[in-house]
Amino acid sequence: AQSVTQLDSQVPVFEEAPVELRCNYSSSVSVYLFWYVQYPNQGLQLLLKYLSGSTLVESINGFEAEFNKSQTSFHLRKPSVHISDTAEYFCAVSEGYSTLTFGKGTMLLVSP
Amino acid sequence: GAVVSQHPSRVICKSGTSVKIECRSLDFQATTMFWYRQFPKQSLMLMATSNEGSKATYEQGVEKDKFLINHASLTLSTLTVTSAHPEDSSFYICSALGPSYEQYFGPGTRLTVT
Repeated sequence: AQSVTQLDSQVPVFEEAPVELRCNYSSSVSVYLFWYVQYPNQGLQLLLKYLSGSTLVESINGFEAEFNKSQTSFHLRKPSVHISDTAEYFCAVSEGYSTLTFGKGTMLLVSP
Repeated sequence: GAVVSQHPSRVICKSGTSVKIECRSLDFQATTMFWYRQFPKQSLMLMATSNEGSKATYEQGVEKDKFLINHASLTLSTLTVTSAHPEDSSFYICSALGPSYEQYFGPGTRLTVT
């Protein structure tokens, strides 16, 4: 069975500071990895994904995540955050084209 | 592309009544859709996998007679909460499996049972 651990339930940062949201997973087979963002009272939006190839994946709004197989991690980073990045971030894993397993989420709180 | 809608976005119903939530893939066909439930400040919990033209597959602990799922077409899946109780109040989110095997999520439905 697969599982996802997001160690931080909440991460407060100041605007323009760098941030890292941690995600570790466990699985017995190869996996696909995802980061989703959820704004209040909204559904989930895909931020970025790792399926294969380059272990460093980027989103259009400056986030990036690196797949580290040896550490079973897929941490999300942004070098400089904005107030508008305040949201809940979910890491998720799937084994092939199957159901997603989500972490508990990390609330990113960006203050001026 | 790959837009998924849900209707209604919010619904309030009285205890004991039933409520139906629709999930539509607007610009692609989805043979598989998923229904999730999200409690406040918690993650999404998969309730069931809905396959077009066949019975849904429910996760352990989800009452199939209470949460009726119908996937009658390639663009529509419905979730009916029967005999709703206050503890069924939650945020329900659907997703549809797109052509690239990626899940596209709907905006969610906030159900409040009074």
